[in-house]
Amino acid sequence: AQKITQTQPGMFVQEKEAVTLDCTYDTSDQSYGLFWYKQPSSGEMIFLIYQGSYDEQNATEGRYSLNFQKARKSANLVISASQLGDSAMYFCAMIYRDDKIIFGKGTRLHILP
Amino acid sequence: DGGITQSPKYLFRKEGQNVTLSCEQNLNHDAMYWYRQDPGQGLRLIYYSQIVNDFQKGDIAEGYSVSREKKESFPLTVTSAQKNPTAFYLCASSPRDRGTYEQYFGPGTRLTVT
Repeated sequence: AQKITQTQPGMFVQEKEAVTLDCTYDTSDQSYGLFWYKQPSSGEMIFLIYQGSYDEQNATEGRYSLNFQKARKSANLVISASQLGDSAMYFCAMIYRDDKIIFGKGTRLHILP
Repeated sequence: DGGITQSPKYLFRKEGQNVTLSCEQNLNHDAMYWYRQDPGQGLRLIYYSQIVNDFQKGDIAEGYSVSREKKESFPLTVTSAQKNPTAFYLCASSPRDRGTYEQYFGPGTRLTVT
């Protein structure tokens, strides 16, 4: 069965430091995709980054990069130079066969001034 | 402005009543999704639809029903059979293009059933 695991329920990071949010996944499908979303306290879901299972290069979007290690089944999010506005819940998700999607339980990130 | 609208933002109902949450998109996306989020938890998939007049159950479909009569609309009915309906409900759509699987989310509806 497909599964997404985020082992860090909460993290505290000093402003301007880089932060890595962990995500491991489990699937027997060969074709799948991995996402990261940010959810501020307002509740909206903000798309950050996407990595396809066949993409050889790690995805990057501005300060966000996805460290994709297929053999380890991990898809960690790296945020460089963190900002106070990065404080939020972060969710890892996977899309697999027939466009079905599962989400992890999330990591609450706190950026300290 | 293109996007997804969900209304209302807050909804209150008495136990035993069915309630329908609306979700409309003008992005011309083929796929639409409904998720439920409980406090401190991730999103759980209720139902999704890849094309008009077709939909599939997600992981927690029991007590919910949907329809997809138009591409733009994917309403969710929370029936009285749903044992714990109080939650935050999020609707999303996706273009399903190869290489573009981003989900566009609506602002959500907070449903409280007493």
